[in-house]
Amino acid sequence: AQSVTQLGSHVSVSEGALVLLRCNYSSSVPPYLFWYVQYPNQGLQLLLKYTTGATLVKGINGFEAEFKKSETSFHLTKPSAHMSDAAEYFCAVTPGGYNKLIFGAGTRLAVHP
Amino acid sequence: GAGVSQSPSNKVTEKGKDVELRCDPISGHTALYWYRQSLGQGLEFLIYFQGNSAPDKSGLPSDRFSAERTGGSVSTLTIQRTQQEDSAVYLCASSLAASGDEQYFGPGTRLTVT
Repeated sequence: AQSVTQLGSHVSVSEGALVLLRCNYSSSVPPYLFWYVQYPNQGLQLLLKYTTGATLVKGINGFEAEFKKSETSFHLTKPSAHMSDAAEYFCAVTPGGYNKLIFGAGTRLAVHP
Repeated sequence: GAGVSQSPSNKVTEKGKDVELRCDPISGHTALYWYRQSLGQGLEFLIYFQGNSAPDKSGLPSDRFSAERTGGSVSTLTIQRTQQEDSAVYLCASSLAASGDEQYFGPGTRLTVT
C-alpha cells in the first residue's frame, strides 16, 4: 500500500531563511509525487510534481523538490522564505498509472520577520 | 478560464438529514475526484470518476455516501442520514485524464452536522 509521511506538523522559519519541508513515501510501484499548498480558507494549489525524468523538479514561487529513490524522499525546499509562503503544505503520491492522490498529514509553515 | 466550482460553500444540517454537494469540473476534464478534509483524518480520497463511471469508490466511508456524475461533467456527492463525524470540508478536483496530470481543486464545501 502507498503512504506518505511528512516529518513535522509545524515548521517555523525566519523571513529570508531556507525552507525545508520533509516528505517520505512508501510505494510498491514507481510513484508520481506532488506538493500542494493550501492558503487559509482556500483550495489546494499544485506547487510542483515529479512523474518521470529529471529528479530535481522546479515549481512555482521559487520552490523545488528532489526525488531520491534510494531514500524514498521528496523534500520541498526554497532558498529564501517570504512572509507570503505561510500556508499548509501537503505532499502526495499516486501509484504509477493510477490517479488517486494519497496525501501526507500536512506541514504548517510559519514565517516570522 | 473558469476553475472547479463547488456548491454550496457552506452547509449546516441536522443529524439524520440528507445532503447533496455539487461539483462543476473544468470544461473538458474527463477525470473527477472527491476528497474529504477533516481535522482528525487529514485529506482522504473518496471516489474517482472517469467520464460517468466510477472505477474506484474505495474511499467512500460507508453506504450512506454515494456519488454520481452525469454528462461527463457535473458530479453530486450525496450523504444520507448525516452523522456528526461527517462534518468536514469536501473537496472536488478534476484533471484532463492521464495519470500524473495535475488535479485542479475547487474551494470545497464545508459541511457541519449539528
